[in-house]
Amino acid sequence: QVQLVQSGAEVKKPGASVKVSCKASGYTFTSYYIHWVRQAPGQGHEWVGWIHPNSGRTNYGKKFQGRVTMTRDMSISTAYMELSGLTSDDTAVYYCARENDASGYYGYWGQGTLVSVSS
Amino acid sequence: DIQLTQSPSSLSASVGDRVTITCRASEDISKSLLWFQQRPGKAPRSLIYAASTLLTGVPAKFSGSGSRTDFTLTITSLQPEDFATYYCQQYYTFPYTFGQGTKLEIK
Repeated sequence: QVQLVQSGAEVKKPGASVKVSCKASGYTFTSYYIHWVRQAPGQGHEWVGWIHPNSGRTNYGKKFQGRVTMTRDMSISTAYMELSGLTSDDTAVYYCARENDASGYYGYWGQGTLVSVSS
Repeated sequence: DIQLTQSPSSLSASVGDRVTITCRASEDISKSLLWFQQRPGKAPRSLIYAASTLLTGVPAKFSGSGSRTDFTLTITSLQPEDFATYYCQQYYTFPYTFGQGTKLEIK
């Protein structure tokens, strides 16, 4: 069965960077886009961007351009999201999600990774 | 960016009830709408895509309808495991955007 398993919670200082991983299993990793979405405490969801694991092509939300980098390691079926210049506003649960087909909807989600930014 | 407005923001219902949640888009998104369920501390679970198509394994108690700007999610015969927060999301255009959620609580 399809699974997306994310790395554990992180605590970071303002100005630092964080790298969250999303390990895929149960399907051909290179065939489906992986998106990253975040949800700050008590707030709504926010789309961060996507990566296509086969080509490495990325598309980032305007708010995150210049601060986010999405990569992948095909040898271990893992996608990564790195966010730099962290502020308290980046405190959120970060989810990876896999598209199901070319229409773009999410069929599967990771369990989420809490990133806390505090001095 | 396309705004999605869900109503109500919270809803109290009893086991066995039927409830309806609405999602309104600020512009035409055709049928590119996903509904998903989120329980505290759990991974989100996608329920319905293309406004009305159930994902594999989702029980038929969930149904969706609508197109363009107005959408609904209906849940029948509520069970304890259905009490959660429900969100709509548009995937018509980037940036993907989300409704603010409807928290379904047990009365």
